[in-house]
Amino acid sequence: DVKVTQSSRYLVKRTGEKVFLECVQDMDHENMFWYRQDPGLGLRLIYFSYDVKMKEKGDIPEGYSVSREKKERFSLILESASTNQTSMYLCASSKSGGYYEQYFGPGTRLTVT
Amino acid sequence: AQSVTQLGSHVSVSEGALVLLRCNYSSSVPPYLFWYVQYPNQGLQLLLKYTSAATLVKGINGFEAEFKKSETSFHLTKPSAHMSDAAEYFCALGASGTYKYIFGTGTRLKVLA
Repeated sequence: DVKVTQSSRYLVKRTGEKVFLECVQDMDHENMFWYRQDPGLGLRLIYFSYDVKMKEKGDIPEGYSVSREKKERFSLILESASTNQTSMYLCASSKSGGYYEQYFGPGTRLTVT
Repeated sequence: AQSVTQLGSHVSVSEGALVLLRCNYSSSVPPYLFWYVQYPNQGLQLLLKYTSAATLVKGINGFEAEFKKSETSFHLTKPSAHMSDAAEYFCALGASGTYKYIFGTGTRLKVLA
């Protein structure tokens, strides 16, 4: 059974803290994605990676960075968390090519106080 | 430019009634289209996908969708709603040559007893 796991389901952090969200997939997928999900806005792409050490900005990269040192692992970093980054964060992976479906992790609900 | 529009952010149906969730797309290249479902506090799960093989696509849990190029639509249907179908549904667009997917803003389905 294919699997995407995320390091935490719920996380509470203080403003200004550095936050790491980790995602691991076991399907040997080339592509990995980080989205944030907010009510009424759907899923917005933060960053994606199409290979180890390769990354591209998505639609809302400001305030975030990513790291992909191994094929199976893709980390999202909030350099200095702010309250407007309170959201649900979803990681996904897929084979290379726009016709392959994405597989999603369970999500991390991050609250920044 | 590519885009996805889901008509109706909230849809209510009675148990046993037809479910119809609407999705329209815009794409300058042949599209690949997906429907995902999200249950509360979970990630997204693939319901079905269109990749140009057949215009009527059957998915899991009794759902199906029909690709209509002339109408640029990919509406999701189920003949008879169950209480367990209550969830949020997302339409997504992919395209050959791109890593990115475009997601709609979602439709929350409520099933009334």
